[in-house]
Amino acid sequence: DGGITQSPKYLFRKEGQNVTLSCEQNLNHDAMYWYRQDPGQGLRLIYYSQIVNDFQKGDIAEGYSVSREKKESFPLTVTSAQKNPTAFYLCASGDRSNTGELFFGEGSRLTVL
Amino acid sequence: GQQLNQSPQSMFIQEGEDVSMNCTSSSIFNTWLWYKQDPGEGPVLLIALYKAGELTSNGRLTAQFGITRKDSFLNISASIPSDVGIYFCAGLVGNQFYFGTGTSLTVIP
Repeated sequence: DGGITQSPKYLFRKEGQNVTLSCEQNLNHDAMYWYRQDPGQGLRLIYYSQIVNDFQKGDIAEGYSVSREKKESFPLTVTSAQKNPTAFYLCASGDRSNTGELFFGEGSRLTVL
Repeated sequence: GQQLNQSPQSMFIQEGEDVSMNCTSSSIFNTWLWYKQDPGEGPVLLIALYKAGELTSNGRLTAQFGITRKDSFLNISASIPSDVGIYFCAGLVGNQFYFGTGTSLTVIP
């Protein structure tokens, strides 16, 4: 089945540790995105990538890093520099050449202890 | 980045009632998307709209792309308990998506 797979679903981290969230898509989409979702707020863009080996900062990129070495994969690292990392993280992908539709993964909930 | 104005924030309705919600913006969008999100899950795309004035249905759901291209509406007819969740809109301009803050829908059996 085609789709977007995020892992892990739940992750606990101690303060000062870096963690990496995985995002894989088999939809052959060029564009991939990472969003952060907090209660009562709309989705906020962390990073996005329109093509392999290229990515751009979103509105809240500080304390996060990404890579796009393969079209299918767009991992997000939450570094110790991120002041308030506890949140629900959503990966998404879209085909920028046609419809503009955006599809999301199941999400990863990160809790910093 | 800008967020879209979505209303109402929450709705409590009886099963069988119709539901309406909307999103507005000060900016023009090329595409409007509507999603449903269950707690702890990723959003699921319900309807996509591409042209001003477009009216599109998906089962009991109907959405419209506003004529001014600055707003969109979602209607759910004859609500059922499984309609419970958070609905939010997204607008696309260029390569950027902007999102509403969501409407929380509770359906009372």
